[in-house]
Amino acid sequence: RKEVEQDPGPFNVPEGATVAFNCTYSNSASQSFFWYRQDCRKEPKLLMSVYSSGNEDGRFTAQLNRASQYISLLIRDSKLSDSATYLCVPPGGASGGSYIPTFGRGTSLIVHP
Amino acid sequence: NAGVTQTPKFQVLKTGQSMTLQCAQDMNHEYMSWYRQDPGMGLRLIHYSVGAGITDQGEVPNGYNVSRSTTEDFPLRLLSAAPSQTSVYFCASSYGLDGTGELFFGEGSRLTVL
Repeated sequence: RKEVEQDPGPFNVPEGATVAFNCTYSNSASQSFFWYRQDCRKEPKLLMSVYSSGNEDGRFTAQLNRASQYISLLIRDSKLSDSATYLCVPPGGASGGSYIPTFGRGTSLIVHP
Repeated sequence: NAGVTQTPKFQVLKTGQSMTLQCAQDMNHEYMSWYRQDPGMGLRLIHYSVGAGITDQGEVPNGYNVSRSTTEDFPLRLLSAAPSQTSVYFCASSYGLDGTGELFFGEGSRLTVL
């Protein structure tokens, strides 16, 4: 099983819609996880960091489900500017004492008028 | 604030040529890493470093060398470029010694190998 799996999409939604992405992972030693946003041909930038089971920031909610080993990102009231690729970095494991962030392939979101 | 600076932003090489992608950060981050991103493949880790003088291989290290002589700099060397190394390369750094903190990325270096 791949360490991190994401549905590449694209998720095509109208403005104002609620959309959710999942990211499944196979290694569960860490508490923290992250969602990054990447615009076309740009570098990834941190969207949300979570150090427990979940976090909410405005229209964005990130949750961790340890039992089923997935993390999710919920976007409410989608805006055109939310169109991007969303990359997950799930809780990782130690490798020789170091935690090396592993990225999913990313989920593409397209918000249309 | 400069953050993470990568040079060059664009480069075209011929097969067999060598070159170095430069990465510098001014945030005093101990952790630095190089990723490559190909269409449909996501970000794949090439090499990483947890401090000056310490480097290790990531998922796809073949064909690349790194060194970390200072905290600020983490250059990536392509020894003999191949068309399969055509990609977008991102350097990233983090304040966490074990990479658990936020990753700050450079703007990327777009490399084409003919």
